[in-house]
Amino acid sequence: GENVEQHPSTLSVQEGDSAVIKCTYSDSASNYFPWYKQELGKRPQLIIDIRSNVGEKKDQRIAVTLNKTAKHFSLHITETQPEDSAVYFCAEGSGYALNFGKGTSLLVTP
Amino acid sequence: DAGVIQSPRHEVTEMGQEVTLRCKPISGHNSLFWYRQTMMRGLELLIYFNNNVPIDDSGMPEDRFSAKMPNASFSTLKIQPSEPRDSAVYFCASSLVAGPGNTIYFGEGSWLTVV
Repeated sequence: GENVEQHPSTLSVQEGDSAVIKCTYSDSASNYFPWYKQELGKRPQLIIDIRSNVGEKKDQRIAVTLNKTAKHFSLHITETQPEDSAVYFCAEGSGYALNFGKGTSLLVTP
Repeated sequence: DAGVIQSPRHEVTEMGQEVTLRCKPISGHNSLFWYRQTMMRGLELLIYFNNNVPIDDSGMPEDRFSAKMPNASFSTLKIQPSEPRDSAVYFCASSLVAGPGNTIYFGEGSWLTVV
């Protein structure tokens, strides 16, 4: 989506290392920021989300941070495992639908 | 719940033919979305419905594309005539209510190839 920029487009890490994916958005009215994971040939599935009244949220090995002033948010995956290999999409929502970033292809090598 | 159900899962058709993709949202969900996914453009929103009414179809590429939602449990996306550049994965998704903060659930997608 043109409203959300995501980088990097590809990311390769070794098993056990951390991975960070960053997104920026332009609509100051955006107040909902989900992250989706899409495995090869599968549907995108929500893995974590954050709302604008929260700066950070964590769920086991994944965490998301939000900086509303700078209009950017990030996904952090710690202790990466091969099964984390997938395409990750950030998204922003200020209305009915979500605008998605172009995706980050994450490869975790053993 | 079976989730969002789409059909067909895969379709190969010849240029110029009509293509109809079908979707059954999660029961009780009031919002339905059609997205298209390609390598070049990523996930693009084509159209979304709220309570069976099309709210925003500005993402529909051109007049060859049309979408309907005759009732709360069924929607179609039609391409007529189809062209090779329409080849993509078409995802239907639904959410419980409209508005930000409501999780959108995707179907498995319809993989369309136009030759």
